[in-house]
Amino acid sequence: EAGVAQSPRYKIIEKRQSVAFWCNPISGHATLYWYQQILGQGPKLLIQFQNNGVVDDSQLPKDRFSAERLKGVDSTLKIQPAKLEDSAVYLCASSPDRAGELFFGEGSRLTVL
Amino acid sequence: AQSVTQPDIHITVSEGASLELRCNYSYGATPYLFWYVQSPGQGLQLLLKYFSGDTLVQGIKGFEAEFKRSQSSFNLRKPSVHWSDAAEYFCAVGAGNYGQNFVFGPGTRLSVLP
Repeated sequence: EAGVAQSPRYKIIEKRQSVAFWCNPISGHATLYWYQQILGQGPKLLIQFQNNGVVDDSQLPKDRFSAERLKGVDSTLKIQPAKLEDSAVYLCASSPDRAGELFFGEGSRLTVL
Repeated sequence: AQSVTQPDIHITVSEGASLELRCNYSYGATPYLFWYVQSPGQGLQLLLKYFSGDTLVQGIKGFEAEFKRSQSSFNLRKPSVHWSDAAEYFCAVGAGNYGQNFVFGPGTRLSVLP
């Protein structure tokens, strides 16, 4: 069974530029999560989708971050414009049920200069 | 809202020694509890989980954890550590009807001495 796929693995941009990350969850998983993991910290939830609807985006900085999950499958997370403090690893995870185990991708490491 | 604390930022043990990583949570009801491991440059991998039932749960790689409701703890243990266990360990709590409140602790970094 294929795992959660994320791309790109690494991205370096300058502040005020934009960036997009893509995630393809495990087939059949209805729930998809985007987490931000700053170096030395635990992952912090940015947004959670149930199929193509948003369950929780309370910690998403909506003035610069956006995410969508069209057709309830893959998802894109966008940052525009990026700030220095956005340097982090962006982890995508999926789950087959609402309160079960999360399966993580390898993450997309963003460096903002 | 629930929260998770991991009191130890960094632990160093010798290979073959026993290990206990501490996790305390705050939540008003019975939580879903998880331990994940993250190796450098990798995503998070589930070690074990507790939903209900037996409070001592077994996981992969020889790890186990015990849920103690009275202490709001879910400590991770391993009787004999291997060099390959060196990694970052995260305790997590899932709560809410839709699992929407899935919160991770700050992590404990484990170093293993040869």
